Parts: sequence; C-alpha cells; structure tokens
Amino acid sequence: DIVMTQSPDSLAVSLGERATINCKSSQSVLSSSDNKNYLAWYQQKPGQPPKLLIYWSSTRESGVPDRFSGSGSGTDFTLTISSLQAEDVAVYFCQQYYSTPTFGPGARVHIK
Amino acid sequence: QAQLVQSGAEVKKPGSSVKVSCKASGGTFTSYTVSWVRQAPGRGLEWMGGITPFFGTPDYSQKFQGRVTMTADRSTSTAYMELSSLRSDDTAVYYCARYDSILGAFDYWGQGTLVTVSS
Repeated sequence: DIVMTQSPDSLAVSLGERATINCKSSQSVLSSSDNKNYLAWYQQKPGQPPKLLIYWSSTRESGVPDRFSGSGSGTDFTLTISSLQAEDVAVYFCQQYYSTPTFGPGARVHIK
Repeated sequence: QAQLVQSGAEVKKPGSSVKVSCKASGGTFTSYTVSWVRQAPGRGLEWMGGITPFFGTPDYSQKFQGRVTMTADRSTSTAYMELSSLRSDDTAVYYCARYDSILGAFDYWGQGTLVTVSS
C-alpha cells in the first residue's frame, strides 16, 4: 500500500494568516493515463464526517471557499489556507486513490 | 444532492458480529462505489473496502479480508457492511462514503455509526 505522511501534525495560526500543510506519498500518485494526481484533501470537524475540499491535487470541490488551495504533483503535495478563519479549525487529511486508498494521519489546525 | 444515512450506534461483545447499513438517496446508487472507512477514537481514517452496486462484487482491504462482508440492495439503495469476530480494537466510528471515480475521491459521506466492542 502507498503510505501517506503529513507535516506538521499540528499547527497554530493567527486569524487571517496563512496555514500550510504538507503531504507526501511513498510512491507517485500521478496517473500516466490521464495525467491526473489522485490526491484529495478533506476537512474534519469534531463529531462530523470528513468533507471533501480538493481533488486531483488542486481542484476545489463545489462550494469550497477559494481561500483553500491545493498544489503539488507526483509524491509531494500542499494544502494552503490563505487567510485562516475561525471556522477552519479542524483536522485535515490527505488521501490517495492511485491504488488501494490510504489516508494521511491528519494535521490539526487551531488558532494561535 | 446525494445523501447517505447510516444506521444507529451499536454495542457488541467480543467475538460477535455487527452489521451497519447505509441508505442512499438523491443520486444514482448503482453507478458509484460505496466504500466503508473507519476511524478509531482519536485516530486517522482507514479504508475497509467498497462495493459498486451495479456490479455487486466487493473489493476488500487485505487487513479485513475474511472478516468483512459488504453487500448492496439495489431495490432499496442500501449498502451493508458486516464485520465479524469483533475485538476491542474494532471500536470505531464506521463511515460509508460514495467514491466518485472521475474525481478519484469520496465526495459524500454518511454521518457515521459508532460501534463499541466491550465485554
């Protein structure tokens, strides 16, 4: 299975400041057949299921605020929240579906 | 707008089985894969397997092979996940999620079902 790692595992950010979370896969998740990275990002708040934010490493799901952006290719990916809002306090997971799906361990974002 | 609604919380004894349901509405049930993902308390997300109702053939994570059974009833748009030989470390919230193969992601999730395994 592809192993997903994330860093940092927790970060404190001031309101209005940028938050950056990194995700690394143990092998490339770039599909040669369609040139897409099968890498998604999810947000999970306490007591709720995960919510899809980003797919294909950089495409925002419908309804997701544009302060959330994804980047990267191959094995290295980043989720950026450009201006942290109070409602963004959550745990963020990356996930690959290039092969048997696996998730990163999560990164907790909280307010400084 | 698709929606997945799961059955309620369960408390089970070690060695027993649990069956969780996931009823879909607002979408084309048969065309998508319904996956099951679990989350132990304070832990990350773990994919258990999935089933595409149109084909009916499940795909299981090796970790759960032999202990999990996933089925789908097209007439009621309901998917089921049964886990047997329960242990205390199976205590977790179990989610069903719709996998969209075009997006390569789980775009809709059920609300979760807490399964507690305790003697």
